[in-house]
Amino acid sequence: AQSVTQLDSQVPVFEEAPVELRCNYSSSVSVYLFWYVQYPNQGLQLLLKYLSGSTLVKGINGFEAEFNKSQTSFHLRKPSVHISDTAEYFCAVSDRRDYKLSFGAGTTVTVRA
Amino acid sequence: DADVTQTPRNRITKTGKRIMLECSQTKGHDRMYWYRQDPGLGLRLIYYSFDVKDINKGEISDGYSVSRQAQAKFSLSLESAIPNQTALYFCATSGGVTYEQYFGPGTRLTVT
Repeated sequence: AQSVTQLDSQVPVFEEAPVELRCNYSSSVSVYLFWYVQYPNQGLQLLLKYLSGSTLVKGINGFEAEFNKSQTSFHLRKPSVHISDTAEYFCAVSDRRDYKLSFGAGTTVTVRA
Repeated sequence: DADVTQTPRNRITKTGKRIMLECSQTKGHDRMYWYRQDPGLGLRLIYYSFDVKDINKGEISDGYSVSRQAQAKFSLSLESAIPNQTALYFCATSGGVTYEQYFGPGTRLTVT
């Protein structure tokens, strides 16, 4: 079975500053990786995904993530955040053997002016 | 219109009551899932269904049951609600060869 660890539960950041959200996973097999965002009082929305190919993945709203197989990590970054990026972010993994996802505990990003 | 809808959006119920949460989708997906979200715990899988005749328990199925009435409908029931089932519940779908899931807006359930 796979598991996901999001290393920061809360990340406060000033507007226009960069942000990095850390995600590590454990799995005995190859995985697919995802980042989802949950805006207040809404469901989860896919930000980006890694299935294969280039280890640098670009998503919506200026976010990108890098898959590092040797470090079993999939960290999410944005070079300049906006107030509207205030949300909870979830890292998720699938071990490719079935169509289930395992989620991390989430990271709450609060962007201040 | 939303592709994945959940009803009700909010519900307050008393301990011991039976309650049903409903999920409908217009995405044409075969696979449907129920999760609960608790602060600091992320999303945990309750039940999932890969087609109408396939129902599987997730990691936290105790105290819950489900029904897949049609490809587009997947309901979650709490036979006798208890306070620690107070949570935000999400339905999700996926289809074809893709692994990504599409989420409904959630149902906030409070058991008093």
